[in-house]
Amino acid sequence: EVQLVQSGAEVKKPGESLKISCKGSGYSFTSYWIGWVRQMPGKGLEWMGIIYPGDSDTRYSPSFQGQVTISADKSISTAYLQWSSLKASDTAMYYCARPKNTARSAFDIWGQGTMVTVSS
Amino acid sequence: EIVLTQSPGTLSLSPGERATLSCRASQSVSSSYLAWYQQKPGQAPRLLIYGASSRATGIPDRFSGSGSGTDFTLTISRLEPEDFAVYYCQQYVTSPGTFGQGTKVEIK
Repeated sequence: EVQLVQSGAEVKKPGESLKISCKGSGYSFTSYWIGWVRQMPGKGLEWMGIIYPGDSDTRYSPSFQGQVTISADKSISTAYLQWSSLKASDTAMYYCARPKNTARSAFDIWGQGTMVTVSS
Repeated sequence: EIVLTQSPGTLSLSPGERATLSCRASQSVSSSYLAWYQQKPGQAPRLLIYGASSRATGIPDRFSGSGSGTDFTLTISRLEPEDFAVYYCQQYVTSPGTFGQGTKVEIK
């Protein structure tokens, strides 16, 4: 079964760093892109960026460029989303998702989401 | 960046009725690159339609997508109780692959 399993919920303080993960299984991890999508409380979906674990080619939405870092470790089939200094406005659910084929494909496989809460 | 505008914001219907959801793009989107997702409370989104009109694996045929250029439609022919949810369109012809703001289909 193809699946993406994300790390658990996090509660952090403003200014702290954080790295959340998304582990792929049931498919060739290096052959598919992995994207990250933010959903703030009660709000819609926002495309953050996408990475190709095969060669670490990474693309960011201008809204998130410089705010987060997307990476992947193909040896353990895991993609990451990280912050160096969290803000309260980073409080959201974060989903990883796999496009059907190329980067220009719909997301057909989704992780269960990681809730990040940033509060002093 | 392509902006997607969904309408209406909320659709109040009864089970068995037909739902018609609209997604309008700020510039032309090749129909190969338009998707629809369903999201229920507390769950991750689920892909319903890709390529504007192709149903994803396991999606019932009461869901259909159509459209081209800047105007796209998701139709649910007869609403089942499990269809009451929020629906998002997404374009992925350009990066970033933007989403619409969502349409909530609620029970009337």
